Amino acid sequence: EVQLVQSGAEVKKPGNSLKISCKGSGYNFISYWIVWVRQVPGKGLEWIGIVYPADSDARYSPSFQGQVTISADRSTDTAYLQWSNLKASDTGIYYCARRARPAINYALDVWGQGTTVTVSS
Amino acid sequence: DIQMTQSPSSLSASVGDRVTITCRASQSVARYLNWYQQKPGKAPDLLIYAASNLQNGVPSRFSGSGSGTDFSLTISGLQPEDFGTYFCQQSSGAPPTFGQGTKVEVK
Repeated sequence: EVQLVQSGAEVKKPGNSLKISCKGSGYNFISYWIVWVRQVPGKGLEWIGIVYPADSDARYSPSFQGQVTISADRSTDTAYLQWSNLKASDTGIYYCARRARPAINYALDVWGQGTTVTVSS
Repeated sequence: DIQMTQSPSSLSASVGDRVTITCRASQSVARYLNWYQQKPGKAPDLLIYAASNLQNGVPSRFSGSGSGTDFSLTISGLQPEDFGTYFCQQSSGAPPTFGQGTKVEVK
């Protein structure tokens, strides 16, 4: 079964650092881009960035550039999203998703279950 | 960024009804338009890609149409399990962007 499994919920204080993970299985993980998406109630879905696990090439939405770091470890089929200085505004649900091939319009065809991040003093 | 605007923001319909959700892009995205369904507490699921192609396993009562800036998702014969929030997403420009969602309630 093709799946992405994310790490568990996190509760952090402002200023803390955090790294959440997304482990792929059931397919050739390094051959597909992994996308990170944030969902905040009332703000819909926001594209954070994307990483290619084969070479760790990472690209960011301008809104998130410099705020987070996206990486991947091809030896463990895992992608990561990390913060070095959390803010209350980082609170939300974070999803990883697999970006499909061009023939599938670069749609997000496999999603992780989501990781809830709560930042509060 | 390309802005995606969905309408309506919510709707309530009866089992068997035909339901249509529209999505408008702020500039042409050709047919780089995808639709997702999200159930409460779950991740979104891909329904339709390239404006009108059903993802594997998606019931045929779902259909999509459009190109350029105007798109629609139609459910022909709403079923109880079709409740949830539907999102459009453009994969033409960088960064890809989503509509704000349409919440569907089944009466």
